[in-house]
Amino acid sequence: DAGVIQSPRHEVTEMGQEVTLRCKPISGHDYLFWYRQTMMRGLELLIYFNNNVPIDDSGMPEDRFSAKMPNASFSTLKIQPSEPRDSAVYFCASSPHMAGGDTQYFGPGTRLTVL
Amino acid sequence: AQKVTQAQTEISVVEKEDVTLDCVYETRDTTYYLFWYKQPPSGELVFLIRRNSFDEQNEISGRYSWNFQKSTSSFNFTITASQVVDSAVYFCALKGSGDQTGANNLFFGTGTRLTVIP
Repeated sequence: DAGVIQSPRHEVTEMGQEVTLRCKPISGHDYLFWYRQTMMRGLELLIYFNNNVPIDDSGMPEDRFSAKMPNASFSTLKIQPSEPRDSAVYFCASSPHMAGGDTQYFGPGTRLTVL
Repeated sequence: AQKVTQAQTEISVVEKEDVTLDCVYETRDTTYYLFWYKQPPSGELVFLIRRNSFDEQNEISGRYSWNFQKSTSSFNFTITASQVVDSAVYFCALKGSGDQTGANNLFFGTGTRLTVIP
């Protein structure tokens, strides 16, 4: 079975540019999560969706970040305009359920570098 | 609040040695779940195990074993006869049910970097 798919795997951009990260969750999973990993802050939850609806976006750092999930098989995380401090690895994860301890399965991540 | 502490930042062992990675957690929830993930040098996060708070039975999977002790709020991970391919960063994570805290997100520790020397 296909796992969580993320694209691109690597992205290098210049400050001020718009960046769009993409994620395809595991088929049948109701929940989708976006995380950011940095050396300073570790793994942080940015936002999660249930059945395509954003439930908790309290981890989104600021208005430059936005996330959408137009359908059950696709989500995007957009940064506009990007800044050097946004450089990090961004992970997408999905799980069948949220209540209880359902496991989150992670994609390979997108390594973003903002120059 | 939910908290996961992995006090060991880095560990180095020689191949074939046993190694234990420590994980201590804090939560006020009466039901919660504990996880271990592996992040190899390639960068992906690989799920290893999930335990429920009401099941303290230890688990063994090949060379991997996990020791869950509610009395000490610990969920330690042991690799027996370590191999070079075990070199990775290992994360312990906690997910509460929210029954006391209202929070049911997944909280990660800071990770332990394991290096297995051939």
